[in-house]
Amino acid sequence: DTAVSQTPKYLVTQMGNDKSIKCEQNLGHDTMYWYKQDSKKFLKIMFSYNNKELIINETVPNRFSPKSPDKAHLNLHINSLELGDSAVYFCASSQEGAGSTNYGYTFGSGTRLTVV
Amino acid sequence: AQSVTQLGSHVSVSEGALVLLRCNYSSSVPPYLFWYVQYPNQGLQLLLKYTSAATLVKGINGFEAEFKKSETSFHLTKPSAHMSDAAEYFCAVNTGFQKLVFGTGTRLLVSP
Repeated sequence: DTAVSQTPKYLVTQMGNDKSIKCEQNLGHDTMYWYKQDSKKFLKIMFSYNNKELIINETVPNRFSPKSPDKAHLNLHINSLELGDSAVYFCASSQEGAGSTNYGYTFGSGTRLTVV
Repeated sequence: AQSVTQLGSHVSVSEGALVLLRCNYSSSVPPYLFWYVQYPNQGLQLLLKYTSAATLVKGINGFEAEFKKSETSFHLTKPSAHMSDAAEYFCAVNTGFQKLVFGTGTRLLVSP
């Protein structure tokens, strides 16, 4: 059983389209995240949700809208896709310890988005 | 703000040689530090983590890292490289706000 699963694995779409990426975790974790990895492998957090509540919203264009229907799911919807959105998007989850210490994330295998 | 710096975007070693990947951190509070590995076209896998219990941390696949407060370092080592260790390695720090901040990564190349 995959701990954090993302779909689709690959996504090729034209500029201007709207697309969604789905993420599910079966670890019982309270917190889920979206990270973006650019072509230089740099990883940057986009959003985090804790028990369906938005906790972190980095400086991400509002074309990106996360949705968490329950604590096991975190989806990412992207409107009006641009060439610069091409990247690998990773979903992750974690179980927070006492005092907000973080004992490490579990990552999904990523969604490679290519905008043409 | 907490951050990590990884020195060297690429490190090349021969199979059987010592692996040393460098990570320095900047943090105003005691940090929680992590090393992750990313194999081609895969997600990130946790190698090891430092959460103040012991300064020498052992991880999976024979890797270990030592937390040195005086040097603000958390370098990753492995005594003997294997071909299967070739991957991208990321150092990360927990900022305390449910957010991990990653370094820019180091690609480890292992030659026969």
